[in-house]
Amino acid sequence: QKEVEQNSGPLSVPEGAIASLNCTYSDRGSQSFFWYRQYSGKSPELIMSIYSNGDKEDGRFTAQLNKASQYVSLLIRDSQPSDSATYLCAGPSGGYQKVTFGIGTKLQVIP
Amino acid sequence: DTAVSQTPKYLVTQMGNDKSIKCEQNLGHDTMYWYKQDSKKFLKIMFSYNNKELIINETVPNRFSPKSPDKAHLNLHINSLELGDSAVYFCASSQEVLGEAARSYNEQFFGPGTRLTVL
Repeated sequence: QKEVEQNSGPLSVPEGAIASLNCTYSDRGSQSFFWYRQYSGKSPELIMSIYSNGDKEDGRFTAQLNKASQYVSLLIRDSQPSDSATYLCAGPSGGYQKVTFGIGTKLQVIP
Repeated sequence: DTAVSQTPKYLVTQMGNDKSIKCEQNLGHDTMYWYKQDSKKFLKIMFSYNNKELIINETVPNRFSPKSPDKAHLNLHINSLELGDSAVYFCASSQEVLGEAARSYNEQFFGPGTRLTVL
């Protein structure tokens, strides 16, 4: 069973809209989750970390963690064409400082 | 100023050859990783070292051998390269941080990647 699951997309949203990216996880004990953005041909870049239930906001990005339902989401407000990328969700995977990554959701923001 | 660097950026080689990829981080982190990202873009961990000690060794052919001369460097040597080894290899580093309720977490920072093509 995959530890972190994401829909691979693509998810298409018009410029200015809210993009909603979701991720579910299997380990109920997981405490920390991460969202990475990966542009085509580039390396993953950490954009949000969340460690407690609820919302965490940073600029246009909001990460949401719901431990009861075992899902993590990333909302991108006022989506821009420059947000077009693959977004990877990552969570702890049992080993020391080990995380497992989801397959990534490809986001396309249409001008 | 680069936080995590890798060399080379591109590597094209013939089947059966042996090659190495080098990684260095100047973040002062204790833990370093090697990941493989295949053509389907799935990012899979291969190895992890903490203060020069191997702590994660996933199911990887023993043709792959990591080496950490010090905590700022982690190299990957690959023997007898095969077509299926073609992928992008990413190095990453992290530091354990104590968060809420004394639970620890780590944020990983990635190098630019090495695109390996085996012909």
